[in-house]
Amino acid sequence: DTGVSQDPRHKITKRGQNVTFRCDPISEHNRLYWYRQTLGQGPEFLTYFQNEAQLEKSRLLSDRFSAERPKGSFSTLEIQRTEQGDSAMYLCASSLDLGGRGDNEQFFGPGTRLTVL
Amino acid sequence: AQKITQTQPGMFVQEKEAVTLDCTYDTSDPSYGLFWYKQPSSGEMIFLIYQGSYDQQNATEGRYSLNFQKARKSANLVISASQLGDSAMYFCAGGNSGGYQKVTFGTGTKLQVIP
Repeated sequence: DTGVSQDPRHKITKRGQNVTFRCDPISEHNRLYWYRQTLGQGPEFLTYFQNEAQLEKSRLLSDRFSAERPKGSFSTLEIQRTEQGDSAMYLCASSLDLGGRGDNEQFFGPGTRLTVL
Repeated sequence: AQKITQTQPGMFVQEKEAVTLDCTYDTSDPSYGLFWYKQPSSGEMIFLIYQGSYDQQNATEGRYSLNFQKARKSANLVISASQLGDSAMYFCAGGNSGGYQKVTFGTGTKLQVIP
């Protein structure tokens, strides 16, 4: 399977604990995105990477959230001191940027569903 | 920044009939792109179709076509010959120029195909 993969698929944690999610993009894709999706809503942009550089962060990404893509391949999203409001599906997507072309569709992973008790 | 509006929370369509899902957008950027994604109950987001703001013709991909009306700022998805497997959430999304690194999604339309 050469699609986007995410691990774990489900995570249940207690409020106040730290959690870390991993995303493995499609291997040749240079862009990687993180989104959060709550029930009944569309995905909300959190952040994106061009290779290893984190180029944009949403205001939704509070100080408790941090994302890395150390070697320009896989990425991790860490949430510290989780709150019940963090419960959501966290989606990762990747795309291939060909230098300004607009039709670089984003390929999504299956998501990590986080439940904070 | 883009704003995407989907005003139909839910739609029903008879199997084999065509259905139109509405999407309007608001952006001040002269160059932008519009996307439609399908999200079945299993949760994965599946890319369906893309329309660039400078594209002269409406995009088509198999049974999917995008009715792009720039003056009205609408980008409706038309699904022809609906199938039971089309039952899912459908999201319209838009991104501004520069590779659409930040894509904004609408709230989605839940489509149910009736046998």
